[in-house]
Formats: sequence, C-alpha cells, structure tokens
Amino acid sequence: ETGVTQSPTHLIKTRGQQVTLRCSSQSGHNTVSWYQQALGQGPQFIFQYYREEENGRGNFPPRFSGLQFPNYSSELNVNALELDDSALYLCASSGQGLPPLHFGNGTRLTVT
Amino acid sequence: DAKTTQPPSMDCAEGRAANLPCNHSTISGNEYVYWYRQIHSQGPQYIIHGLKNNETNKMASLIITEDRKSSTLILPHATLRDTAVYYCIVRSLNTGNQFYFGTGTSLTVIP
Repeated sequence: ETGVTQSPTHLIKTRGQQVTLRCSSQSGHNTVSWYQQALGQGPQFIFQYYREEENGRGNFPPRFSGLQFPNYSSELNVNALELDDSALYLCASSGQGLPPLHFGNGTRLTVT
Repeated sequence: DAKTTQPPSMDCAEGRAANLPCNHSTISGNEYVYWYRQIHSQGPQYIIHGLKNNETNKMASLIITEDRKSSTLILPHATLRDTAVYYCIVRSLNTGNQFYFGTGTSLTVIP
C-alpha cells in the first residue's frame, strides 16, 4: 500500500481525442511525477511537478501537460491522442530530497 | 546521467538466494543506486537504495562494489511472489525523480 491512487484504472479513447488521468498522492508529498510505460518497456519519465509548477520534463511533446493541486492531487492531460499513446501511465510522489518514489498502479490507456 | 546495464532475464529456484547484478560504470560521487521491482499489472515498488555502503532491509540486501561501478541486489530466500521485473536506477539530487528505468531484469522464481 503506497498511498498513491490513480483513476481510472482502464480507459479507451479514439485517436484525436483528449484524455485526463488523475492521481492522488500521499499526504505531505509535494512532488509528483508522471511516467509512460509502453508494453514490454520500462517506464519513461514524462514530467514532474513541485509545488504546483512543472520543474522537469522528459522527451515528450507539449500535448502532454499536467496540473498539480494543493490537496496533493494531480492530473495528466494528453491532447490529440495518437495510437502510440497507448500505454500504462504511472503517477509517483515523494517528499523533498531523495526519499523513495512511491508509484501508483497506473491507468491503462488504449487509443484506437 | 549515469545509466545502468542489467541482464534481461534470470531464473532462481524457490528458497534460494537471487542475486541480481547491475552495472553503473559511469556513476558519479553524488549518485545513489536505487532498486525497484514491478510485478505484472502493478506500479513499480521500492526495494532498497544505497550510496556506497552495503544496505539491508526486510526485503533485500544491496551490495555496492568499492569503486561503485556495479551493485548486486540479493533476495535471500526467493519465493514465487518475487517473480517480477527488477530495475536498477541511478539517482541524484540533480535528476530528482527523473528515473531512467531501462528494461530491467525479468526474474522468474521456479518452484
């Protein structure tokens, strides 16, 4: 039990649509990160939010965006969905410094 | 950022020790070694981390070589529930939560 919950667990969207994925972090965790995991691959870093501002981004286009809220929840938004966006999307949270990163169980997104 | 190299797969007999190697030859002095595992359909689970000393917790032991260029995760008595993909990650304050996972080692514990 990591205290990081994600919703929904599964989602099916059509190419070109927009999607919002949600994450609820552990209380007190002021840093949230999002990862994309394609089938058979390790997770890839999308971006990170600290105190409601993006402060790190991986190699993902601007149509991937996020929000972090004061109540330790966050969102990942993806616009203009492409077939290659089909993946498991993982949210992870931590406190300051280098404590272990705690992951949720992800949202499985399928784009058809 | 230092990257890691792990064997793609390993088998281990149930009840025996599982020794999972990781090469991180370009690690710098302020980078920690973290280990996570991912059981099918779940998010990655934190196992252990260390800087240069060997570490042990309820789940595993971490042995880091003196030159810090490699490490070994040891599961002392592997069970079927330890079957998972194991990731070795190098992390620093500069990289923060931007983990480079690679493809990890798929460990299969055999009855």
